[in-house]
Amino acid sequence: AQSVSQHNHHVILSEAASLELGCNYSYGGTVNLFWYVQYPGQHLQLLLKYFSGDPLVKGIKGFEAEFIKSKFSFNLRKPSVQWSDTAEYFCAVNRRTNAGKSTFGDGTTLTVKP
Amino acid sequence: EAGVTQFPSHSVIEKGQTVTLRCDPISGHDNLYWYRRVMGKEIKFLLHFVKESKQDESGMPNNRFLAERTGGTYSTLKVQPAELEDSGVYFCASSSVQGKYQETQYFGPGTRLLVL
Repeated sequence: AQSVSQHNHHVILSEAASLELGCNYSYGGTVNLFWYVQYPGQHLQLLLKYFSGDPLVKGIKGFEAEFIKSKFSFNLRKPSVQWSDTAEYFCAVNRRTNAGKSTFGDGTTLTVKP
Repeated sequence: EAGVTQFPSHSVIEKGQTVTLRCDPISGHDNLYWYRRVMGKEIKFLLHFVKESKQDESGMPNNRFLAERTGGTYSTLKVQPAELEDSGVYFCASSSVQGKYQETQYFGPGTRLLVL
């Protein structure tokens, strides 16, 4: 069975610091990759997605992620975080042959101190 | 365009009672999914509808859970009888297929279920 591992459960940064959240998955076949964000009191929103093509994907609010197939990784980055980025972040993967069923990581809670 | 909506937003019930959760997908989305997050753990897949048919129900925990999608529009997830371990946040998502093997799911706000 495929699994998704997010390395950090809780990250605390000061504003303007750079962010990198790790995500590794276990499935060896072709995958679709996603990062979702859940702001306090809000629902899950899609930050960015990778289906194919350029492995460096740019999403909303200045986030980007890089798919490194050899490392089974899809790390999320942002060069300078803001207080408003405080949220929980989820990495998700689904198999290209079963694109509906997504496997999620445990989530990483990001707290940005003003 | 209205997003995915779920009702109720919160539900507190006693062990042994029945609860029915409802999800209204984005209009025109044939795919509807149920997921559950228990106690801060990962969000886990429960099942997938394509229109009114169950495409994949491999994530349903046991036969106390019954999902329906009559008419291929809204869906309900009934838990009967509820147990303590059923507490968690139940998410619904919907999608329309954008291309072969490419699909983006849009999530609802979730229903927070607490079984006492």
